[in-house]
Amino acid sequence: DAGVTQSPTHLIKTRGQQVTLRCSPKSGHDTVSWYQQALGQGPQFIFQYYEEEERQRGNFPDRFSGHQFPNYSSELNVNALLLGDSALYLCASLRTGGYGYTFGSGTRLTVV
Amino acid sequence: KNEVEQSPQNLTAQEGEFITINCSYSVGISALHWLQQHPGGGIVSLFMLSSGKKKHGRLIATINIQEKHSSLHITASHPRDSAVYICAVRGGEYGNKLVFGAGTILRVKS
Repeated sequence: DAGVTQSPTHLIKTRGQQVTLRCSPKSGHDTVSWYQQALGQGPQFIFQYYEEEERQRGNFPDRFSGHQFPNYSSELNVNALLLGDSALYLCASLRTGGYGYTFGSGTRLTVV
Repeated sequence: KNEVEQSPQNLTAQEGEFITINCSYSVGISALHWLQQHPGGGIVSLFMLSSGKKKHGRLIATINIQEKHSSLHITASHPRDSAVYICAVRGGEYGNKLVFGAGTILRVKS
């Protein structure tokens, strides 16, 4: 039973570029959350998707957007990248009504 | 002030020692998670608590809902326990999102 799969594992982008990160949730999970973890800090909530709609959003600018597909997989898009967007981006999935989150291994984004 | 406070921030222990990591939060929640993160980033869920105490192997987690406090204990610590331990809460005004503490960096020396 596959857990949460994130791709790519690492990438390097230049300031001003756009990036798309991908997440496939654990089998049976229908809710996907995205988190940003800067070096040495705890993860910060970006947003959560359920039934292809954004249900909750953290304190992130509109440059951060997302999408959920009918198969429950999700994308995180970041436009106009800033150096400060360099971080580990984590995806976590949940079955509606459940309590246990499953985390992916993350995508490490470096903006130069 | 963080909504979820962990202490200590850094902890170095000798192999075999009993370790306690603490977590305090400020609002009513429905669940508290203890998570482990190794270098490279992947997060593993250790426990999810809504009340009382849970035990898994050498790990014990407790929560006091009234005092808004939880502890993670590691008995007979081992170098392979070296990792970052993170407390996260959900529910109440947070809804389904997880609100994380900053983490405790644990190093167990042999």
